[in-house]
Amino acid sequence: ETGVTQSPTHLIKTRGQQVTLRCSSQSGHNTVSWYQQALGQGPQFIFQYYREEENGRGNFPPRFSGLQFPNYSSELNVNALELDDSALYLCASSLFQLGTEAFFGQGTRLTVV
Amino acid sequence: AQKVTQAQTEISVVEKEDVTLDCVYETRDTTYYLFWYKQPPSGELVFLIRRNSFDEQNEISGRYSWNFQKSTSSFNFTITASQVVDSAVYFCALRCNDMRFGAGTRLTVKP
Repeated sequence: ETGVTQSPTHLIKTRGQQVTLRCSSQSGHNTVSWYQQALGQGPQFIFQYYREEENGRGNFPPRFSGLQFPNYSSELNVNALELDDSALYLCASSLFQLGTEAFFGQGTRLTVV
Repeated sequence: AQKVTQAQTEISVVEKEDVTLDCVYETRDTTYYLFWYKQPPSGELVFLIRRNSFDEQNEISGRYSWNFQKSTSSFNFTITASQVVDSAVYFCALRCNDMRFGAGTRLTVKP
């Protein structure tokens, strides 16, 4: 039990719609990272939040945005959904220090039709 | 640039065999961390081990062992006497600022 919870677990959206995914981080963790994992691939880093600000970003377009709240929970928003956005979205919480391990939630499976 | 390569896409072994999962990484940073995660069918990534760039000591934890060699930029993972429950996808990851994952190796252990 890592303590990282994500909601919803599954979601089906239509191309062009917007979606919000949620993540509650593990108690005591101040950093949240989001990853996109397409079928058969490794997780791809989307962005990281620390103290409610974006602290690093991978190679994803601006229609991928996020928020971190004072309680360190987080949201991932994706606008103008495309078919290729279909994937497992993973949230990870950790401490900000470089060497700490990240603990992952069970993910949200997003299907865009 | 950071990059992690797991050249083995799939490995299949029979129970009780030993198996080694390879991981090669690239980074220009001198301080970095390497990780292995296990992803069972449920989807959640399970942390297995962390190693920092200044500690090349190998580690053993039960049936699991890790071999970190800076000279070859490798961080290989060995499972001794594999079991069916070891079947999963295993990811190697490199963290300099953010964490970058390899493509994963799907391990199937047959009874």
